[in-house]
Amino acid sequence: SQQGEEDPQALSIQEGENATMNCSYKTSINNLQWYRQNSGRGLVHLILIRSNEREKHSGRLRVTLDTSKKSSSLLITASRAADTASYFCATGGGSQGNLIFGKGTKLSVKP
Amino acid sequence: DAMVIQNPRYQVTQFGKPVTLSCSQTLNHNVMYWYQQKSSQAPKLLFHYYDKDFNNEADTPDNFQSRRPNTSFCFLDIRSPGLGDAAMYLCATSMNTGNQPQHFGDGTRLSIL
Repeated sequence: SQQGEEDPQALSIQEGENATMNCSYKTSINNLQWYRQNSGRGLVHLILIRSNEREKHSGRLRVTLDTSKKSSSLLITASRAADTASYFCATGGGSQGNLIFGKGTKLSVKP
Repeated sequence: DAMVIQNPRYQVTQFGKPVTLSCSQTLNHNVMYWYQQKSSQAPKLLFHYYDKDFNNEADTPDNFQSRRPNTSFCFLDIRSPGLGDAAMYLCATSMNTGNQPQHFGDGTRLSIL
């Protein structure tokens, strides 16, 4: 399988704390993407980091990419209860370069 | 707002009774995808359309079919639903393939009685 794998599977933190999720993948990539999924809803694209980038920021999100280790991390700073969701990484390892999603990290932020 | 809309949000059907799920988009994207997502699992790609070209994933059961009559609409047909087909079905769009960002609808939760 060329699927990405997120770690941890579940994470529970208090509001205001930082949350870090990791993703490992198996093949070479053009880019890696992170998505959020609220319970019972569709996925929302958060951020895309290209293979020649090492770090990218978007608001309270910080993504790093280490292609030598085939890994990426997503950091959410100063978390809020509204950040409670599942977070998926995705890479283009599928047929015709389609995305393959990892199993996700379920984040719970307690008020 | 440009978006991807899936109807209905919840669908209940009987074992073996054909069911159709629909998806529409106002983004004018040329690629539309259908994913199956079971509880606490990753979305699994069933197939996608690149314009009018249909691309089936190798492990998608024959029971699942799709139609795209125009750019805006795409349908998922399940010919004879089994209990194992109960899942969330997600439609997504993108401008071209090649791991572009995808825009998702809110899904249809399918239950089989």
